[in-house]
Amino acid sequence: EVQLVESGGGLVQPGGSLRLSCAASGFTFSSYAMSWVRQAPGKGLEWVSAISGSGGSTYYADSVKGRFTISRDNSKNTLYLQMNSLRAEDTAVYYCAKLTMIVVVITDNWFDPWGQGTLVTVSS
Amino acid sequence: QPVLTQPPSASASLGASVTLTCTLSSGYSNYKVDWYQQRPGKGPRFVMRVGTGGIVGSKGDGIPDRFSVLGSGLNRYLTIKNIQEEDESDYHCGADHGSGSNFGVVFGGGTKLTVL
Repeated sequence: EVQLVESGGGLVQPGGSLRLSCAASGFTFSSYAMSWVRQAPGKGLEWVSAISGSGGSTYYADSVKGRFTISRDNSKNTLYLQMNSLRAEDTAVYYCAKLTMIVVVITDNWFDPWGQGTLVTVSS
Repeated sequence: QPVLTQPPSASASLGASVTLTCTLSSGYSNYKVDWYQQRPGKGPRFVMRVGTGGIVGSKGDGIPDRFSVLGSGLNRYLTIKNIQEEDESDYHCGADHGSGSNFGVVFGGGTKLTVL
């Protein structure tokens, strides 16, 4: 069974940093691109970032570009999101999701499955 | 990039049918859209992808036959027949766009489905 388990969320002050992790199991981790998607309280989904199976290609939403860094350790089957210069508007539940292909930019590539999410709260 | 528009709410009686709509912005009629179900307090779950020709690929794991999709013009529809209590969820549509460094994914605002 494919499982994605996020961790690392918590309360952080504006301007602070946090690193999220997503532990994957039940599939060959390096064979699939991965992504982070967030959901602010009571709001819709917002795509954050994606990374290819090799880790060689990364993509970011404009709202986080230059502040967040996505990475992966295929030897540990773990996806990461390093979040710096955090703002109040970054407060959200962060989900990791597996894509259906090894690369990100390719036709018919969707998020399946998703983890249960980890809550990040940015507040003083 | 496309904008996806969803009505904020919908309702249907137990055993009835409901059709949820996701509307693409003008100029994006050839785009495919993914439907995701999100039960209260849970992560989203892939339902299926839809283009103008209907379903693309397969349904997500465990998605019942009661769920179907259709695409027409700028609209992408998710129909649920014989609605059950467990279908009460938020339903999100999403679409990827761009290539290279301008790649991105956009989502609609979601539709909250209430089962009466």
